[in-house]
Amino acid sequence: GNSVTQMEGPVTLSEEAFLTINCTYTATGYPSLFWYVQYPGEGLQLLLKATKADDKGSNKGFEATYRKETTSFHLEKGSVQVSDSAVYFCALSDPGDSSYKLIFGSGTRLLVRP
Amino acid sequence: NAGVMQNPRHLVRRRGQEARLRCSPMKGHSHVYWYRQLPEEGLKFMVYLQKENIIDESGMPKERFSAEFPKEGPSILRIQQVVRGDSAAYFCASSPDDNEQFFGPGTRLTVL
Repeated sequence: GNSVTQMEGPVTLSEEAFLTINCTYTATGYPSLFWYVQYPGEGLQLLLKATKADDKGSNKGFEATYRKETTSFHLEKGSVQVSDSAVYFCALSDPGDSSYKLIFGSGTRLLVRP
Repeated sequence: NAGVMQNPRHLVRRRGQEARLRCSPMKGHSHVYWYRQLPEEGLKFMVYLQKENIIDESGMPKERFSAEFPKEGPSILRIQQVVRGDSAAYFCASSPDDNEQFFGPGTRLTVL
């Protein structure tokens, strides 16, 4: 079945450091891939997405590239801020699944220190 | 355009009671999804509904849980005879089509 695996957290960085959060997936078809962010006490917000191989999603300085050959969708940011502290979820949606439900990874907590 | 609304935001129930969670999708959205997030875990799909129809309930526990999305009014997730293991955050998401989902703030259920 379809699944998403994320690196375990917490990830602790100093402000302005480079961020990578690894995400790999298993899917029978060609899924759409997403990164969601969850701030404390809030719901999930879509951060970025990619729908086909080699697509790059980007938003607010975050980027992720859909790599079919390595089945990965790693999240990167060149210079993190304290306000980026949150939990980040990688997810996939299988277009072969008529319900388009999202399958999530377990989440990676990011803590950015001043 | 208001976002997805969920209420209550926090709900406390004693074991054996019923919990009713409400979700009002964004205006113009006819697709509703419910997910459950256990502490320190990712979200797990429960059920997908369109107006008056359950499309996919493959993630719903077989007993005590039910969901509806009537023609008028919010979607309801109902948990009967709650147990401590039902304590979790329940998130609703809505979508105008079969693509992007927009999430509500969640209902945090605590079972004493």
